Amino acid sequence: GAGVSQSPSNKVTEKGKDVELRCDPISGHTALYWYRQSLGQGLEFLIYFQGNSAPDKSGLPSDRFSAERTGGSVSTLTIQRTQQEDSAVYLCASSLPPLIQRTETQYFGPGTRLLVL
Amino acid sequence: TQLLEQSPQFLSIQEGENLTVYCNSSSVFSSLQWYRQEPGEGPVLLVTVVTGGEVKKLKRLTFQFGDARKDSSLHITAAQPGDTGLYLCAGAYNTDKLIFGTGTRLQVFP
Repeated sequence: GAGVSQSPSNKVTEKGKDVELRCDPISGHTALYWYRQSLGQGLEFLIYFQGNSAPDKSGLPSDRFSAERTGGSVSTLTIQRTQQEDSAVYLCASSLPPLIQRTETQYFGPGTRLLVL
Repeated sequence: TQLLEQSPQFLSIQEGENLTVYCNSSSVFSSLQWYRQEPGEGPVLLVTVVTGGEVKKLKRLTFQFGDARKDSSLHITAAQPGDTGLYLCAGAYNTDKLIFGTGTRLQVFP
């Protein structure tokens, strides 16, 4: 597809379980971002991948959160031992390398709605 | 840590009214973007402003970047129900990462 895709679109899990959220960025986009959005609120930055550089993990809220990006393309956000406060929409975005344009446009996927019971 | 404050947080108006949304920070940004998000979807870029004092127009939407590049505003003229959504500003300190604002939820009633 032409856009950013995320899966699953919805995920309901029990407290204490682990979840994996997947993001497929736009082909050729070397930058990939994960954000968390609580109901109707702004976006909270989680983690940023840019090419082969070390990821910027400064936004991860706890060590239960981790993310990988394999082969510079698909990314997986993992939340271990989920808590009810982890319930939110998790958004992924990708963009062109910053060297190509001065300010980048981030293209967002539709998000994964996570509900922890 | 949120560095961009938007106001108002919520706005409910009638079709045909004008409105302004503000985005403020104590930090200087290299550029600032505005996104709109509709329910069940990811945010979509509306505009990017780069130069202090810059004004950009997109049909009935007017965007302005403050002279000091610390703030921005979005003005909508003659709002329509199709303008309903969550409006997000996002500032860039460099070309690598955006800091998103707290969001303004707009509801336009017919």
